[in-house]
Amino acid sequence: KAGVTQTPRYLIKTRGQQVTLSCSPISGHRSVSWYQQTPGQGLQFLFEYFSETQRNKGNFPGRFSGRQFSNSRSEMNVSTLELGDSALYLCASSIGATDTQYFGPGTRLTVL
Amino acid sequence: GQSLEQPSEVTAVEGAIVQINCTYQTSGFYGLSWYQQHDGGAPTFLSYNALDGLEETGRFSSFLSRSDSYGYLLLQELQMKDSASYFCAVTGGGNKLTFGTGTQLKVEL
Repeated sequence: KAGVTQTPRYLIKTRGQQVTLSCSPISGHRSVSWYQQTPGQGLQFLFEYFSETQRNKGNFPGRFSGRQFSNSRSEMNVSTLELGDSALYLCASSIGATDTQYFGPGTRLTVL
Repeated sequence: GQSLEQPSEVTAVEGAIVQINCTYQTSGFYGLSWYQQHDGGAPTFLSYNALDGLEETGRFSSFLSRSDSYGYLLLQELQMKDSASYFCAVTGGGNKLTFGTGTQLKVEL
């Protein structure tokens, strides 16, 4: 069974731009969660989607948003990029609630 | 809120046994997970404890005491490839994982 895939793997943007990251979960997994990882803040939860509905949201500004499609694929969008948004963005999928989460390879975003 | 504490760094020699502790304070708790992350890589799931006791998976074991809000990851027969960061994480409400700050494990010859 294929693992979680994320595209693109690397991205360079400039301040003020917006970016969309994509995540395809493991087949059969209906929950997709997004995390931001930085050296200073560690791994932080952004939000979680299940059956196209956002079920949980972390403490991030409204510039961070996401959505999930009927095939469970998910996208996250960051608008008006700031230098501090440079991070590794990780997507994780699980079968349902409180199940083990499996991570994708991440998208490394650099904001210049 | 939720907070998890684990040592920042642990060093051990190849072939040894090492224990990484994790204490947590949470407002909701479904279970404690452990993830391994090599430099530049993604977190890889190692183990999950929902109930008190020991879970064993090959060279790795994980323990949970819900009454003490404490868990640990035990790595046996250490190998050089085990050098990585190890994170404990609490599954809280919904499917949200709250991660500890991570323990950098260095395995030496």
